[in-house]
Amino acid sequence: DAGVTQSPTHLIKTRGQQVTLRCSPKSGHDTVSWYQQALGQGPQFIFQYYEEEERQRGNFPDRFSGHQFPNYSSELNVNALLLGDSALYLCASSPLDRGQAFFGPGTRLTVL
Amino acid sequence: SQELEQSPQSLIVQEGKNLTINCTSSKTLYGLYWYKQKYGEGLIFLMMLQKGGEEKSHEKITAKLDEKKQQSSLHITASQPSHAGIYLCGALPHRPNNDYKLSFGAGTTVTVRA
Repeated sequence: DAGVTQSPTHLIKTRGQQVTLRCSPKSGHDTVSWYQQALGQGPQFIFQYYEEEERQRGNFPDRFSGHQFPNYSSELNVNALLLGDSALYLCASSPLDRGQAFFGPGTRLTVL
Repeated sequence: SQELEQSPQSLIVQEGKNLTINCTSSKTLYGLYWYKQKYGEGLIFLMMLQKGGEEKSHEKITAKLDEKKQQSSLHITASQPSHAGIYLCGALPHRPNNDYKLSFGAGTTVTVRA
């Protein structure tokens, strides 16, 4: 079992650009959540996808959007990047019944 | 929203010594998760506690959830260099009400000195 995988591992962008991050959930998991972790802080919930729809959203602006595909994989898109978007972006997958969440290795985004 | 406070913020322990990390919630929890994170990497699942008074152990790590399901502790016995990292507690709210997000504490950085 490959577990949760994310790509790319690192990314450097400039202010105003757009970025897409990708996540493949653990086998058997149908729910994908995205988190943003700034340096020295705990992860902050961005949103969760289930059945290709956004089921819940955290306190993030509309510049953050996502998508879930029929194979349960997911994308996180961030438009009009700001310096403050620099962070580690984590994807987590879990079964529908709110069971154990497994996290991927993360994507380190740096905005210059 | 769920507030989780972890203490201490960081600690340095001599190899072979024990250590304890605490996680306190402002509200009753549905489930409490402990994760370990190496700097800049993903979260590694350690344990999940759901029942009041529950205690789980894995190798030299023991986690407990109090009866009121508002406080948890993580205890490492005879620490080793491999125990170094950032420990995070995460929680699901007690009454879901379509709330599925994990809320996290700020983390505890553990350094193990040889």
